[in-house]
Amino acid sequence: AIQLTQSPSSLSASVGDRVTITCRASQGISSALAWYQQKPGKAPKLLIYDASSLESGVPSRFSGSGSGTDFTLTISSLQPEDFATYYCQQFNSYLPLTFGGGTKVEIK
Amino acid sequence: EVQLVESGGGLVQPGGSLRLSCAASGFTFSSYSMNWVRQAPGKGLEWVSYISSSSSTIYYADSVKGRFTISRDNAKNSLYLQMNSLRAEDTAVYYCARDANPYCSGGSCYPTDFDYWGQGTLVTVSS
Repeated sequence: AIQLTQSPSSLSASVGDRVTITCRASQGISSALAWYQQKPGKAPKLLIYDASSLESGVPSRFSGSGSGTDFTLTISSLQPEDFATYYCQQFNSYLPLTFGGGTKVEIK
Repeated sequence: EVQLVESGGGLVQPGGSLRLSCAASGFTFSSYSMNWVRQAPGKGLEWVSYISSSSSTIYYADSVKGRFTISRDNAKNSLYLQMNSLRAEDTAVYYCARDANPYCSGGSCYPTDFDYWGQGTLVTVSS
């Protein structure tokens, strides 16, 4: 199975900060990567698909980049509603489909 | 408005069975592949199973293969997960999730990213 390693596992940041989360795949997955945001007690929400495409309705402060094995989710200016846990997910034709371990973004 | 509503969760003893349902509305259910994803308490996300729009292709995670069965009824706009031989490690919130983009290669289709999720239903396996 393709392993996805997210870093950091948690971070503390202030409103207005630029935040970067990385996701590394154990083998190349081209651009078959998505990012999700999950708030406590809620279902995950799709933010980014195909590594860098912004899902409809998602604020433009979210962006994704990368291909192959190294990927990044960036929040350009952290807002109060962005405090949550973020997951990457690979959906290459390799099964099983896998998720990263998550990055919890907390208020500093 | 797209809606996915899971039901059927609850407390079950180890070795028992449970059937989850996911009622879909607001989109043409028969045109989309669907998935089950679970999340153990305080843990990350784990993909469980995939079913293509016509039920012709089905996949399972190794952790549930041989014990869980995914199915769908396009006439009833419903997705199901029959869970047998349940174990303590199956305790989780189970989400149904819609495949955002169909991806097929070499005659086979695969799960992709998930654009809509249900609210989840909690399954607790304990004696």
